[in-house]
Amino acid sequence: GENVEQHPSTLSVQEGDSAVIKCTYSDSASNYFPWYKQELGKGPQLIIDIRSNVGEKKDQRIAVTLNKTAKHFSLHITETQPEDSAVYFCAATSWGKFQFGAGTQVVVTP
Amino acid sequence: EAGVTQSPTHLIKTRGQQATLRCSPISGHTSVYWYQQALGLGLQFLLWYDEGEERNRGNFPPRFSGRQFPNYSSELNVNALELEDSALYLCASSLIKDEQYFGPGTRLTVT
Repeated sequence: GENVEQHPSTLSVQEGDSAVIKCTYSDSASNYFPWYKQELGKGPQLIIDIRSNVGEKKDQRIAVTLNKTAKHFSLHITETQPEDSAVYFCAATSWGKFQFGAGTQVVVTP
Repeated sequence: EAGVTQSPTHLIKTRGQQATLRCSPISGHTSVYWYQQALGLGLQFLLWYDEGEERNRGNFPPRFSGRQFPNYSSELNVNALELEDSALYLCASSLIKDEQYFGPGTRLTVT
């Protein structure tokens, strides 16, 4: 069936280093790929997204890449800061049906 | 612009009772999605409402139900509560079939 796999489940990085989270999806009809950041006690916040007709998108320190042939997409955070510490979720959607990854706990140590 | 709001923030119920959770979408958004997030786990899709109709539901038993009102707000009802229903219930709204925006969630505790 449809699913989204997300790796790694936990990621510890030194402040200033880069963090990369990878997701793969199975539904070839998926055409929208958002990333969410969830801080403790809060709802997920949309931080960046990419559509199937685009290969890469960047917003300041955050970038997302999409490889439709291989059915995988990645989140890149550069120059990490302590406030980047949170759980990050990827998702793949097709016609309103969202499939979420299991999440990555990112810890940025000063 | 106000974001998605959910009420109550916390809800404590006992086994067998019913819970009602409420969600108000961002103004102008017509779709509402409900998710269950058990402690330490990912988001499990529950229900999707659009223009007042249920469009899709996840792999949950029928005691999870809901509705969407003419003003696009939504209610999630959970009947015959079980201990494993304890979770954070998240509502998200959308104008088109992507770009979901989440509310802060309702923490349901079943004792």
